[in-house]
Amino acid sequence: GAGVSQSPSNKVTEKGKDVELRCDPISGHTALYWYRQSLGQGLEFLIYFQGNSAPDKSGLPSDRFSAERTGGSVSTLTIQRTQQEDSAVYLCASSLTVGDQPQHFGDGTRLSIL
Amino acid sequence: EDKVVQSPLSLVVHEGDTVTLNCSYEVTNFRSLLWYKQEKKAPTFLFMLTSSGIEKKSGRLSSILDKKELSSILNITATQTGDSAIYLCAGIIQGAQKLVFGQGTRLTINP
Repeated sequence: GAGVSQSPSNKVTEKGKDVELRCDPISGHTALYWYRQSLGQGLEFLIYFQGNSAPDKSGLPSDRFSAERTGGSVSTLTIQRTQQEDSAVYLCASSLTVGDQPQHFGDGTRLSIL
Repeated sequence: EDKVVQSPLSLVVHEGDTVTLNCSYEVTNFRSLLWYKQEKKAPTFLFMLTSSGIEKKSGRLSSILDKKELSSILNITATQTGDSAIYLCAGIIQGAQKLVFGQGTRLTINP
């Protein structure tokens, strides 16, 4: 696609529910990144994928967070048993390869946990 | 721990003013520094700085890196209301691919 596409753009859910956030990177980009932006804060790295290599999960805040990237393209970030502190904007970015800059960002998913 | 700090956190000026935004970093194996502009949603790329002392310019925006001082500045001259945004600075660690972001500077330009 022309840009990084994320869905849904907004998600409101109750505490304790699971949520899935989707990212479709720019066509041909092999590197895909997830970041979290809490209110008034900068972006916090969560995870990145590069091709078929094992992902770098070093930024995931707890084992409730997981991510997959199927077929080297679309990625899904899953948060299980959501907590109120998970409320944030989740941003996805892609680049041609890992290490290639800049990373191109999607519009994000605004997640609100009630 | 790798850290990027931006200042000020918030700045309000009048249209036509010149502003300077600051970014300092403590990043092991530093490779490059990036500036992004975030209006409503997606951060958009402004500059990537790798070499010290070389100014990058794009219109009214310019930026420079000082590796001795571990810092960078972003200048905006003749500001316009469309410059209102959050400006994000991020460091890239050599050999690692994630970006380490600062908290951002919220810039508001009043007419």
